[in-house]
Amino acid sequence: KQEVTQIPAALSVPEGENLVLNCSFTDSAIYNLQWFRQDPGKGLTSLLLIQSSQREQTSGRLNASLDKSSGRSTLYIAASQPGDSATYLCAGMNSGYSTLTFGKGTMLLVSP
Amino acid sequence: EPEVTQTPSHQVTQMGQEVILRCVPISNHLYFYWYRQILGQKVEFLVSFYNNEISEKSEIFDDQFSVERPDGSNFTLKIRSTKLEDSAMYFCASMRLGTSGTDTQYFGPGTRLTVL
Repeated sequence: KQEVTQIPAALSVPEGENLVLNCSFTDSAIYNLQWFRQDPGKGLTSLLLIQSSQREQTSGRLNASLDKSSGRSTLYIAASQPGDSATYLCAGMNSGYSTLTFGKGTMLLVSP
Repeated sequence: EPEVTQTPSHQVTQMGQEVILRCVPISNHLYFYWYRQILGQKVEFLVSFYNNEISEKSEIFDDQFSVERPDGSNFTLKIRSTKLEDSAMYFCASMRLGTSGTDTQYFGPGTRLTVL
């Protein structure tokens, strides 16, 4: 059974700083991995999806990497802004149309 | 841009009552999901639905739960007799039938269910 862990649980940084959020998973037979953003009391917004055959994906200031052999994914946020403040969730899918297994998330606060 | 919608945004009910949570997935999507998130906890999978039948369900999805796609657009989650521990945010998600792991699950804004 896939288990997903995210470290740290919370992170506070000043505006402009580059930061890395970590996600680890137990089953290396992962099919793909998604990173989501969740604002308080709101739904989940998909940020990036990395297929198992890829090593990284980029969207704007976001870069996500995937290392299946070590069971890790990272989300790199460049030049952080207060509007980036949210909880970031990673979730792994173990087969083509299967379910997502979520981590508990990292709560990010970017202060002006 | 197409999006998943859910109604109501907030539902308050008495313990033992039946509730129906409604979702309208993205129109060309074929896979549908329900997840829930108890306050302060992880998002948990409940059930997946494809081709008018359940394709996978979790241990949480017991006989009190059912899903239905009553027409070409709606996807519903019914809880027959709500319990206090059913209080959570319920998310609907949909995914297009694709290839090679390229497909993203798109989530709705959620329905906050409060059982009193």
